[in-house]
Amino acid sequence: EVQLLESGGGLEQPGGSLRLSCVVSGFTFKSHAMSWVRQAPGKGLEWVSGISGSGGSTYHADSVQGRFSISRDNSKNTLYLQMNSLTVEDTALYYCARDVREILGNWYFDLWGRGTLVTVSS
Amino acid sequence: DIQMTQSPSSLSASVGDRVTITCRASQGISNYLAWFQQKPGKAPKSLIYGASNLESGVPPNFSGSGSGTEFTLTISSLQPEDFATYYCQQYNSYPPTFGGGTKVDIK
Repeated sequence: EVQLLESGGGLEQPGGSLRLSCVVSGFTFKSHAMSWVRQAPGKGLEWVSGISGSGGSTYHADSVQGRFSISRDNSKNTLYLQMNSLTVEDTALYYCARDVREILGNWYFDLWGRGTLVTVSS
Repeated sequence: DIQMTQSPSSLSASVGDRVTITCRASQGISNYLAWFQQKPGKAPKSLIYGASNLESGVPPNFSGSGSGTEFTLTISSLQPEDFATYYCQQYNSYPPTFGGGTKVDIK
C-alpha cells in the first residue's frame, strides 16, 4: 500500500526545536521529490520546504528560511524536517507530500500523509 | 508569490446538486492548477491536475476547467462522500501556493 506516515509532532515552547519524520512505503522513494506543507488551525495550506529525490537540492519558504531544514534518508525511506527557533506562528498540522517528479520545480503533490500536529506555546 | 483566491469560502448543498467552485490566480498560471479534497482527520487527496485531468480513481462526477487566471471545479451530482473542503493550488511558479479552501457541507 502506498503510504506516507508522519510523526514527531508535539508541544514545544517558543525558541525550542522539533524534528518531524515521514516514513513512506509502497513506492520508490528516491524517485520523488518531497515537500512539507502545513496548515495552521482554521487556516489554509502553506508550502514549507521541498527536497529533490537525491536530496541534493532543497528549498524553504521565506517564513521558515534559516530556521527549518529539510532532509531525507533514501536508505530508510524517510523524510525529515528539523525545526529550530520555533515561534507560536509555527503551530500547525504538518503534512508530508509526494511530488510527481524526482527533481524539484514541478510542485504538484499527488500523495499526502495525514499529518503530525506541532503546537508551540509557553 | 502568486495569490490564489477561492470562492465561495463555504457552501451548503444537497445530495444530487451540481456544485461549482471557482479559483482565481493573481497572475497567469497557464494550466498548472490542481484541486485537492480534504476531510477532517484524513490526508488531503489529489483530485485534478493540469486544471482538467482527473487523478486515477477519482469519480467522473468531478471535473475541472480553466486556464490562465480563472479555474473551476465542478461536482456534477454531489454524493454523500463529497462533503469536504476543497483547495486549489498553483504549481506554475515557485513557491507553490494554495487557495483558502471551500467547505462543502450538507444543506
